[in-house]
Amino acid sequence: KQEVTQIPAALSVPEGENLVLNCSFTDSAIYNLQWFRQDPGKGLTSLLLIQSSQREQTSGRLNASLDKSSGRSTLYIAASQPGDSATYLCAVRPGSSWGKLQFGAGTQVVVTP
Amino acid sequence: GAGVSQSPRYKVAKRGQDVALRCDPISGHVSLFWYQQALGQGPEFLTYFQNEAQLDKSGLPSDRFFAERPEGSVSTLKIQRTQQEDSAVYLCASSQQGQTYEQYFGPGTRLTVT
Repeated sequence: KQEVTQIPAALSVPEGENLVLNCSFTDSAIYNLQWFRQDPGKGLTSLLLIQSSQREQTSGRLNASLDKSSGRSTLYIAASQPGDSATYLCAVRPGSSWGKLQFGAGTQVVVTP
Repeated sequence: GAGVSQSPRYKVAKRGQDVALRCDPISGHVSLFWYQQALGQGPEFLTYFQNEAQLDKSGLPSDRFFAERPEGSVSTLKIQRTQQEDSAVYLCASSQQGQTYEQYFGPGTRLTVT
């Protein structure tokens, strides 16, 4: 059974520092991995989608890497801002499923001014 | 519409009541998913539709949960005889058909059972 783990569960950094969020998964048979942002009381906003054949994806200050063989993905957020404060979730799309996502519990990020 | 919409946004039900939660996916999206998110946890898969066909309902926690998408567009998640453990945020997501497309989520419905 696929297990998705995110460490740390919570993170606090001063504004301007780079953020590094980790995601690990136990079964490397995945179609893709998606990073989401969730603000309190809100739904999920898709940040980046990495296909299983890709090593990384970039969007603005965000960069996500994928090492499928070792079951790891890392989300980097450069020059963090207070507006980056949110919970970040990673989710894998198992190769054996119709497309359902398997989520980690998330990393709660606070960026202090 | 511009995105996935869900209604109501908040629902308070007394234990034993039936509730119905609605999801309007992005126009043209074939795939529709329901997830349940408990406080402090990541979303957990409930069920999946491809057009009007419910292809996977392995995540529904009990036979009190029922979902439908009769015309392949709007979907309704129904919970009968609600229990306190049903309190959670229910999220709907849609995507284009195929394994490589990303899922887009609605704002969710927060259900509180008292």
